[in-house]
Amino acid sequence: GAVVSQHPSRVICKSGTSVKIECRSLDFQATTMFWYRQFPKQSLMLMATSNEGSKATYEQGVEKDKFLINHASLTLSTLTVTSAHPEDSSFYICSAVVGTSVFNEQFFGPGTRLTVL
Amino acid sequence: DAKTTQPNSMESNEEEPVHLPCNHSTISGTDYIHWYRQLPSQGPEYVIHGLTSNVNNRMASLAIAEDRKSSTLILHRATLRDAAVYYCILRDGNAGNMLTFGGGTRLMVKP
Repeated sequence: GAVVSQHPSRVICKSGTSVKIECRSLDFQATTMFWYRQFPKQSLMLMATSNEGSKATYEQGVEKDKFLINHASLTLSTLTVTSAHPEDSSFYICSAVVGTSVFNEQFFGPGTRLTVL
Repeated sequence: DAKTTQPNSMESNEEEPVHLPCNHSTISGTDYIHWYRQLPSQGPEYVIHGLTSNVNNRMASLAIAEDRKSSTLILHRATLRDAAVYYCILRDGNAGNMLTFGGGTRLMVKP
C-alpha cells in the first residue's frame, strides 16, 4: 500500500511556542489530506480537510488561526500549532487520499506525539 | 453521519477466529461499511470495506447482514499482532472520503 510519513514522530515544546508537523505522501500524489487529533484513550477526531492549492476546511470547534494548515503540493501538507499550550498535547495524525473516484482509500501516517510543557 | 455501535473490548485466544460485531441500524443506501484498525501508538490502517456483499481479503473477511443494519469483521486466526482497536465506520459514498471514527473495539489477544 501507499506510504504516508509524518515528521517529527514526537516533539516536546514549551508553552507559547509554535510547532510544525509535516505530512508527506511518499509514493503517490494526494489530492486531499486530513488532519486528526487523538487524546489518550479516545478515538480520532477530525480537525480539518486539506485540498492541494486551496484553503483547509476546519471542523466545528477547531480554531483555524491556532491550527494553521498548508497544503502547498500534492505530496506535502503541514500543520502548525501556534502558541501551543498544555491542553494541545495530543497525538496528531494525518491521512492522504489519492484519486477522485467513488472510493479512495485513506492512508494514514504514523502520527506525531506533541507534548507541551 | 450514520453512527455505529461496537463493544468496547473483546478478548480472543491466539490462533482462534475472532468475530468483531458492529451495529449500524441507521445505515443509508449510499453508506459504505469500512473497517480500520489502530495498533498502539500508530496511525490507523485500512482493513476492509464493503457495501452489500460479503468481502474477503488477505487480512480479514467482512460479513454484512442482509438488511445491512449490522456487520461482522472476521479475523480467521488471531495473532498477537492483531491486538489493536478496530473501528467500524460508515462512509457516505456521495460525500467524499471523510471518515468519522467512533469508539471502536479494543481487541486483546491472549497467547
